[in-house]
Amino acid sequence: TQLLEQSPQFLSIQEGENLTVYCNSSSVFSSLQWYRQEPGEGPVLLVTVVTGGEVKKLKRLTFQFGDARKDSSLHITAAQPGDTGLYLCAGRRNAGGTSYGKLTFGQGTILTVHP
Amino acid sequence: DAGVTQSPTHLIKTRGQQVTLRCSPISGHKSVSWYQQVLGQGPQFIFQYYEKEERGRGNFPDRFSARQFPNYSSELNVNALLLGDSALYLCASSLRERGLETQYFGPGTRLLVL
Repeated sequence: TQLLEQSPQFLSIQEGENLTVYCNSSSVFSSLQWYRQEPGEGPVLLVTVVTGGEVKKLKRLTFQFGDARKDSSLHITAAQPGDTGLYLCAGRRNAGGTSYGKLTFGQGTILTVHP
Repeated sequence: DAGVTQSPTHLIKTRGQQVTLRCSPISGHKSVSWYQQVLGQGPQFIFQYYEKEERGRGNFPDRFSARQFPNYSSELNVNALLLGDSALYLCASSLRERGLETQYFGPGTRLLVL
């Protein structure tokens, strides 16, 4: 059983379209990170969210952490072919006000943006 | 500044052999974590070392071991290789600040076991 469920697993869209990727869990996370990975490379950090309800924007990307810190979403506006890649959410479950240690990853969403 | 570096980039081994993978963290980072990523899946946690001590271990057999050196670089060793060990092995370097740890990944070592 996957602790972090990502959906959809595959997404194929045309340039200019909007999309949303979801990351859901029944567990509470002290922090959640989104990464983008290209073939043959390591994941590259996009954002970290730590507060329930937090929204962060990175150009055309908007990230939201659920109020209960059990879920997160990534929304891309006007997708471009350069957005193509594997998007991964990863979280930590810590108590005591810190967020250290291993990351638990979702299975990833493969995004393809066609010109 | 240099990012996380890993060596070798690619490796081909046969079943039963042993392999050592190496990782150099970002300068100033004291923690190194290792992950295994099988094709089509998200990375799975193997080990974390912080200040040269093991701070976490994932659900991997004892064939997997690791260590961290005084300069904070790290090695991951896998003994008695199985076909299923074929994967991308990722090293992540991290800094702990104000209650939050952010991990930065290297490019990985692609291991193929034949």
